[in-house]
Amino acid sequence: DIQMTQSPSSLSASVGDRVTITCRASQDIRSDLGWYQRKPGQAPRRLIFSAFNLHNGVPSRFSGSGFGTDFTLTISSLQTEDFATYFCLQHNTYPVTFGQGTEVQVK
Amino acid sequence: EVQLVESGGGLVKPGESLRLSCVVSGFSFSSNGMNWVRQTPGKGLEWVSSISASSYNVHYADSVRGRFTISRDNDKNSLFLHMSDLRAEDSGIYYCATSPFDLVVVPAPIDYWGLGVLVSVSS
Repeated sequence: DIQMTQSPSSLSASVGDRVTITCRASQDIRSDLGWYQRKPGQAPRRLIFSAFNLHNGVPSRFSGSGFGTDFTLTISSLQTEDFATYFCLQHNTYPVTFGQGTEVQVK
Repeated sequence: EVQLVESGGGLVKPGESLRLSCVVSGFSFSSNGMNWVRQTPGKGLEWVSSISASSYNVHYADSVRGRFTISRDNDKNSLFLHMSDLRAEDSGIYYCATSPFDLVVVPAPIDYWGLGVLVSVSS
């Protein structure tokens, strides 16, 4: 199975901060990676697909980068509504696997 | 707007069965792959199963293969997960999720998710 190592597991930030979250795959997954946001009581929401493409309706302050084994989600200027948990997902090979998640908390 | 509504969860005893359903709207259901993902206390987010648009290709996590069966009814825009021989470690929130295109041998991405349904397995 492909292991997805996500870091950090949590971070504290303020509105306006630049936030970076990383996922590392245990083997080459090309660009077969998505980033998602999850809030309590809501369905998980896809932010980024194929490593760097913005999902429909997602604000441009979110961006993704990377290829192969190392990937990054960046929030350029954190907004109040961005305090949430973020996770990555690889769909290169079965079984589909997930990062452990990053909780973005208010500093 | 894509909407997914799961149902069928509940409290069951070890060894019992349960059938989850998911109704999808606002989406070309019959053309796309579908998935079940679960969130468990022990393993976090875990992919459970995927099914192709025609139901020809199905895939399962090792942890559920032989006990769970995924199926779909394209006429009713519905996805199902029949779970048998349930174990305590199967407890968690089960999410139905769409893929933006069909899947064959390799996985398709996952895009839209439902709110999830709670499954509890306890004696």
